[in-house]
Amino acid sequence: DVVMTQSPLSLPVTLGQPASISCRSSESLVYSDGNTYLNWLQQRPGQSPRRLIYKVSNRDSGVPDRFSGSGSGTNFTLKISRVEAEDAAVYYCMQGTHWWTFGQGTKVEI
Amino acid sequence: QFHLVESGGGVVQPGRSLRLSCAASEFTFSNYIMHWVRQAPGKGLEWVTVISSDGSDKFYSDSVKGRFTISRDNSKNTLFLQMNSLKPEDTAVYYCATGDYKGWGQGTLVIVSS
Repeated sequence: DVVMTQSPLSLPVTLGQPASISCRSSESLVYSDGNTYLNWLQQRPGQSPRRLIYKVSNRDSGVPDRFSGSGSGTNFTLKISRVEAEDAAVYYCMQGTHWWTFGQGTKVEI
Repeated sequence: QFHLVESGGGVVQPGRSLRLSCAASEFTFSNYIMHWVRQAPGKGLEWVTVISSDGSDKFYSDSVKGRFTISRDNSKNTLFLQMNSLKPEDTAVYYCATGDYKGWGQGTLVIVSS
């Protein structure tokens, strides 16, 4: 199984400041079709997960542009340019190249 | 877009069975691969199983293989998860999700306890 490793697991942040979460996979996530199936999900307290970013860097509709995804191969990053109160949540990276596996989650605390 | 509503959770004794449902609306259900994903209390997300859009292909995580069965009824826009031989470690909120993980339900809680 492909192992997804996130860091840090807990991220204290200050309103208006940037934040960054790292995600590493145990194998390359480049699929045979050339796509990299790496998503970022947000789960606010008491809510279902919500997809923010798909295929590394594509923001879903309605997702604020302060969220951005980058990376390639086995190393990926989610960045929040200026943290807002509503961004307090657990963030998961997940891969869909080799079946599906999730990172452990990173709790962003404001 | 992507309205998904799970049901069927509850408290069940170890070794017993439970069947979860996921009612889909506001999108063309029959066009989508569908997953079940679970989340144990206070823990992260775990992929459980997936079914192809026409129901012909099904795959399971090792932790549930041989005990859980995924199915779907495209005429009723509904996804199912038959869970047999339940174990305490199956205790979790179970979510249905679309194949691209764009759509998620609200989850249904399954507690396996004597």
